[in-house]
Amino acid sequence: DIQMTQSPAALSASVGDRVTITCRASQSIDIHLNWYQQKPGKAPKLLICGASSLQSGVPSRFSGSGSATDFTLTISSLQPEDFATYYCQQSYGEVVTFGGGTKVDIK
Amino acid sequence: EEKLVESGGGLVQPGRSLRLSCTASGFTFSNYWMHWVRQAPGKGLVWIARLDGDGNNIGYADSVRGRFTVSRDNAKNTLYLEMTSLRGEDAAVFYCARDGGYSSGYFDTFDLWGQGTVVTVSS
Repeated sequence: DIQMTQSPAALSASVGDRVTITCRASQSIDIHLNWYQQKPGKAPKLLICGASSLQSGVPSRFSGSGSATDFTLTISSLQPEDFATYYCQQSYGEVVTFGGGTKVDIK
Repeated sequence: EEKLVESGGGLVQPGRSLRLSCTASGFTFSNYWMHWVRQAPGKGLVWIARLDGDGNNIGYADSVRGRFTVSRDNAKNTLYLEMTSLRGEDAAVFYCARDGGYSSGYFDTFDLWGQGTVVTVSS
């Protein structure tokens, strides 16, 4: 199975900060990479698919980039509602796999 | 409104079975591949299974293959997960999720999630 490694596992940031989360695949996955946001006690929410395609209704401060094995999720100006855990997920292999998550909390 | 609602979770003894259901509304259920994803307490997301709109094309994670069975009844707009020989490590919140392939062309992308149902495995 394709292994997905996210970093950092956690970060503390302030409102207005630019935040970058990275995700690395154990083999090339082209652009078959998706990002989700999960808040405590809630289901995940799809933010970005195909590495950089923003889902309808997702604020433009979220952006994704990358291809092959290295990907990033960027929040250009962190808002109070963005404090959550973020997961990457590859949709290239027969077995879908997620990264371990990055928890973004308030500094 | 497009919605998925899971049910059937609860406390079950190790070695026993449980069936989860996921009822869809607000969209044409039979058009979509569907998935189950679980999340153990305090842990990350783990994909379990998928099946296509007809229920003929099925895939499982190694950790559940042979013990879990995914199926659907399109007349009832319902997805199922039959879980047998349950173990302590199966305890989790189980989510059903819709595959975004039909809508966006991005398959194995989860664009709609239910609220989850909790499975506890304990004697």
